[in-house]
Amino acid sequence: GIQVEQSPPDLILQEGANSTLRCNFSDSVNNLQWFHQNPWGQLINLFYIPSGTKQNGRLSATTVATERYSLLYISSSQTTDSGVYFCAVERGWGTDKLIFGTGTRLQVFP
Amino acid sequence: GAGVSQTPSNKVTEKGKYVELRCDPISGHTALYWYRQSLGQGPEFLIYFQGTGAADDSGLPNDRFFAVRPEGSVSTLKIQRTERGDSAVYLCASSTTLAGGHSPTYSTDTQYFGPGTRLTVL
Repeated sequence: GIQVEQSPPDLILQEGANSTLRCNFSDSVNNLQWFHQNPWGQLINLFYIPSGTKQNGRLSATTVATERYSLLYISSSQTTDSGVYFCAVERGWGTDKLIFGTGTRLQVFP
Repeated sequence: GAGVSQTPSNKVTEKGKYVELRCDPISGHTALYWYRQSLGQGPEFLIYFQGTGAADDSGLPNDRFFAVRPEGSVSTLKIQRTERGDSAVYLCASSTTLAGGHSPTYSTDTQYFGPGTRLTVL
């Protein structure tokens, strides 16, 4: 099956720093989503981004489907950004389950 | 409601008992998914409903696990003869369906997740 790998596995930042999280996938996908899982376990949608670039405030994401990777950029990080970031891919028509990556655990200190 | 809701938020049971976990999707969402997340791991797919029918149940680990969605809205995940290895957070998600027609000519949109049910089997 498709493999979804994220890097780095762990990231420690001081408030105000910028970071880039990477998601590599081993086969073509129909859709890709980025999630933030907060310390209480809630999965929060960040981006639905099968291709191209999107921005939402301090966050932006780029997916290059032909090269099978996606990047999540966090600028001017805040302590509330702490948690685990997952990318998840969907293979295609009729197979709509999400396959999650290994996650990046982010800790932002004041 | 405003989002996906799940009940109970926590469930503690003894090995061998039967449990039911409930999911209320976002109103109007035709697609519903169950996932399971073990400590330190990403969520893993269990089953996907399109309306009332299970479109993909390939993630159910064995025949002790079963899920229903009789009216195309609320879903219940049922686990028989629970084992300690079943302990995990069970997540439900829902989404709208893009385009018309029947599988495989449709696809689903962004999946929105509920807060999960933490199941502990003693």
